Amino acid sequence: NAGVTQTPKFRILKIGQSMTLQCTQDMNHNYMYWYRQDPGMGLKLIYYSVGAGITDKGEVPNGYNVSRSTTEDFPLRLELAAPSQTSVYFCASSYSPGEGTDTQYFGPGTRLTVL
Amino acid sequence: AQSVAQPEDQVNVAEGNPLTVKCTYSVSGNPYLFWYVQYPNRGLQFLLKYITGDNLVKGSYGFEAEFNKSQTSFHLKKPSALVSDSALYFCAVRDRGTDSWGKLQFGAGTQVVVTP
Repeated sequence: NAGVTQTPKFRILKIGQSMTLQCTQDMNHNYMYWYRQDPGMGLKLIYYSVGAGITDKGEVPNGYNVSRSTTEDFPLRLELAAPSQTSVYFCASSYSPGEGTDTQYFGPGTRLTVL
Repeated sequence: AQSVAQPEDQVNVAEGNPLTVKCTYSVSGNPYLFWYVQYPNRGLQFLLKYITGDNLVKGSYGFEAEFNKSQTSFHLKKPSALVSDSALYFCAVRDRGTDSWGKLQFGAGTQVVVTP
C-alpha cells in the first residue's frame, strides 16, 4: 500500500494563477481531508469529504475548491492564488466514523509558495 | 466547540531522560484524543489515541499518554528519550458527538529537541 500520496511536492505560483493539488489514497477510506499548516499555527481544516460526491467546508475554505468523484481521489483547487495561500498543504484520509475508527493518515505534503 | 492547547513551543531534554509533552483540551462532551508526530519535511504520523477505557494509552516508539478528565489533559510521555525522537508533536481532539465526525482540532505543536 502506498497510503496517501500527494503531488506535486513543491510549487511556486504567481499571484492570480490557478493550480490543482492532487491527493490519492489506496486504503479504501471513505473520509478525506485537506489541511494547511502554517508555522506555529498547527493544522487548519480546509475541506473534507465523507464519500464520493460529498464534500463540506472546514475551518478555512475561502479561496479553495474541492471535488470527490471517486473514493480514491480528492483534489484541491486554488483558483486565484494569493500570497496568503503560501503554506504547506496536507491531505489525509480515514475510515468511516465509528467508535475511535477515525484515525487520520497523512500524505507527505505539498509546499506551495505564492509570489 | 472544541479546542486544544499545547502550552510549550519547545521542549528540550537530554538523551536518556524522561520526556513529557503537555496537552490540554476543551470539548462540550467527551473527547477522542490523539497524538501525532511530524519529522522534518514529512507528513504527520499517528502515535496513539484515547477512545475510552484505560486512562493510560500506549502507542508507537515507546510513547504513552495519560488521559486525565478532571484536569482535561492528555500529556505525552516517554521514559527515556532518544535523539531520534526530535520532531514536532501535535495533540488533537474531537468531540464524540456525531456532528464532529472527522473534524479533528489540532494544537499548535511542540518542538521536541533531544540532545546527545
